[in-house]
Amino acid sequence: GQQVMQIPQYQHVQEGEDFTTYCNSSTTLSNIQWYKQRPGGHPVFLIQLVKSGEVKKQKRLTFQFGEAKKNSSLHITATQTTDVGTYFCAGSGAGSYQLTFGKGTKLSVIP
Amino acid sequence: SAVISQKPSRDICQRGTSLTIQCQVDSQVTMMFWYRQQPGQSLTLIATANQGSEATYESGFVIDKFPISRPNLTFSTLTVSNMSPEDSSIYLCSVEVGQRTPHTIYFGEGSWLTVV
Repeated sequence: GQQVMQIPQYQHVQEGEDFTTYCNSSTTLSNIQWYKQRPGGHPVFLIQLVKSGEVKKQKRLTFQFGEAKKNSSLHITATQTTDVGTYFCAGSGAGSYQLTFGKGTKLSVIP
Repeated sequence: SAVISQKPSRDICQRGTSLTIQCQVDSQVTMMFWYRQQPGQSLTLIATANQGSEATYESGFVIDKFPISRPNLTFSTLTVSNMSPEDSSIYLCSVEVGQRTPHTIYFGEGSWLTVV
């Protein structure tokens, strides 16, 4: 079955440093979605990428979808303490509505 | 987007009992999903619930343990039966939203269950 691997599992950064989490799928994806889960909260949808090589930005967050549609990344520029949480990628294959989640990257930001 | 309400938000349950979680959506949706997130882990799909048909369960999850109802297009329930401490998890209801595929998935706030 489809597997989605996400690294790193944990990341501790100083406030103001950049942060990147990477997601790799064992199969070609039709789309990839990114979620943020704050401590004690539920996953909140951030963005969806559909096109090969797509890049989308949301303020300090940059999302990329690889040319082969098998990998993706989320980059945060100049982290803030409000960025703390676990970031999950989730992908689905062609013709499937089912999302397979990565294990998530837990981000800690040291003030 | 969709507003999804889940009840209960938290509960402490005795081993061997069953608990039903309710999920209410503010709009009609075709597909509703139930996920489990064990402590410190990622999300695992339990089953997909379509109105008017039996739920489709993922590998490792069975109807006897996790019966699901989907009586209409805005509501679903998940029951966790004969609970054991291993069932301590967050249970999340989610829905697909969007005019075109691929759709976006939105989550409820989760039901945090602790089995003692």
